[in-house]
Amino acid sequence: TAGITQAPTSQILAAGRSMTLRCTQDMRHNAMYWYRQDLGLGLRLIHYSNTAGTTGKGEVPDGYSVSRANTDDFPLTLASAVPSQTSVYFCASSDSPSSNTGELFFGEGSRLTVL
Amino acid sequence: GQNIDQPTEMTATEGAIVQINCTYQTSGFNGLFWYQQHAGEAPTFLSYNVLDGLEEKGRFSSFLSRSKGYSYLLLKELQMKDSASYLCAVVDSNYQLIWGAGTKLIIKP
Repeated sequence: TAGITQAPTSQILAAGRSMTLRCTQDMRHNAMYWYRQDLGLGLRLIHYSNTAGTTGKGEVPDGYSVSRANTDDFPLTLASAVPSQTSVYFCASSDSPSSNTGELFFGEGSRLTVL
Repeated sequence: GQNIDQPTEMTATEGAIVQINCTYQTSGFNGLFWYQQHAGEAPTFLSYNVLDGLEEKGRFSSFLSRSKGYSYLLLKELQMKDSASYLCAVVDSNYQLIWGAGTKLIIKP
């Protein structure tokens, strides 16, 4: 199976523009997550969703929004990109919502550069 | 505050053994994960420890001491493909996942 698919894999974006990173999973996991990974820092949680129809804020939610219309899709939107949002973004899923004690399955990442 | 400490980088020789340490100070504890991440790729699950002791999975073992706030990942019979970053992550009392910055392991022939 494909697992988790992210798109695009790489993007250069002008500051002030909007961008949506797509994430789709085929494992029927209830929980989905968006992380950013920056050099020298641990993965930081942006937003999460424990089940379709619900979302929550993570550690660094400002400037980002998410939606969870169904189980499979969890897009991340940057409404007006800024250079500090240059990062590698990982989508992940788990079948252990809320407890965070289950294995996370990650997508291949989306490398975003904001100029 | 909550903190996960790992060495930034380690170097080891092919065929040898290496131990990657992780110390944590968190508000409570509900488990510790190790993930492997090759450069430019996604993290992949290696292990999950919630009780003290050593768990072995082939060439990889993970140890946990909750009283010391300490874990290590032991890699035996190192292969070149083990060159990667190793991420330690702790589940705190609120079931939030706290990530370390990762240890980059370089394997030399």
